[in-house]
Amino acid sequence: DTEVTQTPKHLVMGMTNKKSLKCEQHMGHRAMYWYKQKAKKPPELMFVYSYEKLSINESVPSRFSPECPNSSLLNLHLHALQPEDSALYLCASSQDGAGFNEQFFGPGTRLTVL
Amino acid sequence: EDKVVQSPLSLVVHEGDTVTLNCSYEVTNFRSLLWYKQEKKAPTFLFMLTSSGIEKKSGRLSSILDKKELFSILNITATQTGDSAIYLCAVKWGAGNMLTFGGGTRLMVKP
Repeated sequence: DTEVTQTPKHLVMGMTNKKSLKCEQHMGHRAMYWYKQKAKKPPELMFVYSYEKLSINESVPSRFSPECPNSSLLNLHLHALQPEDSALYLCASSQDGAGFNEQFFGPGTRLTVL
Repeated sequence: EDKVVQSPLSLVVHEGDTVTLNCSYEVTNFRSLLWYKQEKKAPTFLFMLTSSGIEKKSGRLSSILDKKELFSILNITATQTGDSAIYLCAVKWGAGNMLTFGGGTRLMVKP
């Protein structure tokens, strides 16, 4: 299995809702990532988990809350989002946090905040 | 300021043409450079380069890294309409597992 899966594919939420994005991989990778991508822009790194511990938080607002329950799963909890948070949210994984391993991306969740 | 710059921003060619996409970088503690192809959704991994001068090849695509001049190129020969996409270059750097993307090159291949 060389796939990173993400659910849901699409999500529409209001500013007062609480929702979660899920990401799963079964490649035995120990590093997992969340990226945010706006239209016509490259992905922006949000969070990095290495061995289930948060190793990087790229100054992301607290309305985004990541969670790594185990080495195969990565969640992104969303609360009180703003319309400008609408974007494609990409999850990726790599063998470990070292710089020489390629990252495998999931298909993304297209989020719309009304 | 650390950065990754791609050129050209966009490119329109006809099927059968050969294209060269460029990526230059200025980062501290360089680890690797990655090329991705992005169509409608998530980026698809193409190449990872860590050593200078060693060409990586996959079908009609090839890439090479120059760590002295701090750039990489991605070549696509005999282009096809299916090659139309945004090509992203990303550089992994630093001890903290940072990955910085360039702005991408939008390639359009016309029949």
